[in-house]
Amino acid sequence: GESVGLHLPTLSVQEGDNSIINCAYSNSASDYFIWYKQESGKGPQFIIDIRSNMDKRQGQRVTVLLNKTVKHLSLQIAATQPGDSAVYFCAENVSFKAAGNKLTFGGGTRVLVKP
Amino acid sequence: DSGVTQTPKHLITATGQRVTLRCSPRSGDLSVYWYQQSLDQGLQFLIQYYNGEERAKGNILERFSAQQFPDLHSELNLSSLELGDSALYFCASSGTTGSVPNEQYFGPGTRLTVT
Repeated sequence: GESVGLHLPTLSVQEGDNSIINCAYSNSASDYFIWYKQESGKGPQFIIDIRSNMDKRQGQRVTVLLNKTVKHLSLQIAATQPGDSAVYFCAENVSFKAAGNKLTFGGGTRVLVKP
Repeated sequence: DSGVTQTPKHLITATGQRVTLRCSPRSGDLSVYWYQQSLDQGLQFLIQYYNGEERAKGNILERFSAQQFPDLHSELNLSSLELGDSALYFCASSGTTGSVPNEQYFGPGTRLTVT
């Protein structure tokens, strides 16, 4: 498969350990945030989202934390598995007039799970 | 499978040519988004349509245009192609209504190679 990017920061994690991926966003007007996972040769896959009126949201094995004070977002993956190996992107949304919105993606973090 | 389909999967064409990429959103989704993913620029938002109307615009070149048809499928037209237009082009759809954004589901992408 092809690489999404040649110079992505990489997080190596042992299978079974927890992973934390961090993301700094730029726009204080962003009202909604999403984490995506992208495997080689595929489109981004939705993992979890959080609205700006929340600071934590949990899904299955994943937790997203939002700190609006420092414009920081993190994704925690519990008990990381080989299938979690991928590139992870955070995205921030700014809404315009009714049904108008724009997602801005971060540069991505490559997660490598070691067996 | 996200439910978003894109055709073709691969496209190879020469500089100066024009191509059309096609996207069918998930059933019931009124919003369609187009993104470009290149190695040096990452994932970039191009344009959004909602129920046939343009609603948000990103870094879309004047040589590029898009439309959404009454059956909600969308086409992205790229003309006067340059080598730098070589990239993955993704379509995403969402059930966004009103001013509340929702998760965007991505298609598998079209890989465009300009020679």
